[in-house]
Amino acid sequence: KQEVTQIPAALSVPEGENLVLNCSFTDSAIYNLQWFRQDPGKGLTSLLLIQSSQREQTSGRLNASLDKSSGRSTLYIAASQPGDSATYLCALNAGNMLTFGGGTRLMVKP
Amino acid sequence: GAVVSQHPSWVICKSGTSVKIECRSLDFQATTMFWYRQFPKQSLMLMATSNEGSKATYEQGVEKDKFLINHASLTLSTLTVTSAHPEDSSFYICSARDPQGAKNIQYFGAGTRLSVL
Repeated sequence: KQEVTQIPAALSVPEGENLVLNCSFTDSAIYNLQWFRQDPGKGLTSLLLIQSSQREQTSGRLNASLDKSSGRSTLYIAASQPGDSATYLCALNAGNMLTFGGGTRLMVKP
Repeated sequence: GAVVSQHPSWVICKSGTSVKIECRSLDFQATTMFWYRQFPKQSLMLMATSNEGSKATYEQGVEKDKFLINHASLTLSTLTVTSAHPEDSSFYICSARDPQGAKNIQYFGAGTRLSVL
């Protein structure tokens, strides 16, 4: 059974810092990995999707990497802004279902 | 990208009543939809996989008689919480997979917050 762990569970940084969120998983037999953002009381916003054959994806200030051999993915956020404050979830797609990590609650202070 | 609409976004009901939540794929046909539940400050947990024209597949520990799922068309799946109780209060989110789309992506609805008094 796939287990997905996100570290840290919560993170508070001053505005402008670069930061890294971590996601680890136990089963490397995946189709893809997705990073989502969730604002309080809201649904999910897809940020980046990395296919199993890819190593990284970039969108604006976000960069996600995937290392299947070590069972890890990272989400790098450059020059963080207060508007980046949210919960970030990684999810592994093994074909028919997504398995989510516990999320990292990010607070970017002005 | 593809759009999934979920309705209602927020519902308050009395204990013992039933609540229906709708999940619609607006611009694609979804043979498979998924229902998740999220408790405060916790991650999403898959409840069931909804397949058009057949019975839903429930995850271990999810009561099928409590959470009725109907996927009667390629664009609509419904989740009915029967005889709701306060412990059923949660955030329910649906997603749909576009079989014609690339990359096996699931598209998520905005979620429904259920509060049972």
